[in-house]
Amino acid sequence: NAGVTQTPKFRILKIGQSMTLQCAQDMNHNYMYWYRQDPGMGLKLIYYSVGAGITDKGEVPNGYNVSRSTTEDFPLRLELAAPSQTSVYFCASARDRLQETQYFGPGTRLLVL
Amino acid sequence: DQQVKQNSPSLSVQEGRISILNCDYTNSMFDYFLWYKKYPAEGPTFLISISSIKDKNEDGRFTVFLNKSAKHLSLHIVPSQPGDSAVYFCAASAQRENYGGSQGNLIFGKGTKLSVKP
Repeated sequence: NAGVTQTPKFRILKIGQSMTLQCAQDMNHNYMYWYRQDPGMGLKLIYYSVGAGITDKGEVPNGYNVSRSTTEDFPLRLELAAPSQTSVYFCASARDRLQETQYFGPGTRLLVL
Repeated sequence: DQQVKQNSPSLSVQEGRISILNCDYTNSMFDYFLWYKKYPAEGPTFLISISSIKDKNEDGRFTVFLNKSAKHLSLHIVPSQPGDSAVYFCAASAQRENYGGSQGNLIFGKGTKLSVKP
């Protein structure tokens, strides 16, 4: 099993550009999450999904969109990139929501200039 | 307002000695706690967890202690090894049904960077 994979590993965007961060998992997990980690800070939840077709906002959803058309994939969309979105983005998945370990991908480092 | 606090940004320990990482929380609804370990350029990996019905959980060299009255938990690593050098994140969640839509979602602290010197 590859676990949770994320692409790209690193990206530079200009202000106002858009992009999609890809996340896939091969563990047949129902729950998937997107976090961002700013320097010196903990991870903050952007969006999460409890299954295909169902998504919900986390703590910091502004400026992002998600979709979940399949169990395996959970892409994160940035429509109008802003310097405040410079961060490292982590995708995670879990079998269930309660007392279940979340498995994280390696992260995507995004720089918005 | 931080609900999960790790007040020590860094900790340096000699190999073979004990490492103690601390975490405080403010939300009394939190009833499940986890520690994650993170190496540079990698995602966090799960280390150990504890439910609020317990006050201690052990897994090999790692032990987590929970003091509910003080809203405090700590991670003990004994003996510390150079490979333990990483950033350690404390996370908390509320598992109870009446917590609403955020049930089960993790709230992370800022992390503590542990350096274990040979």
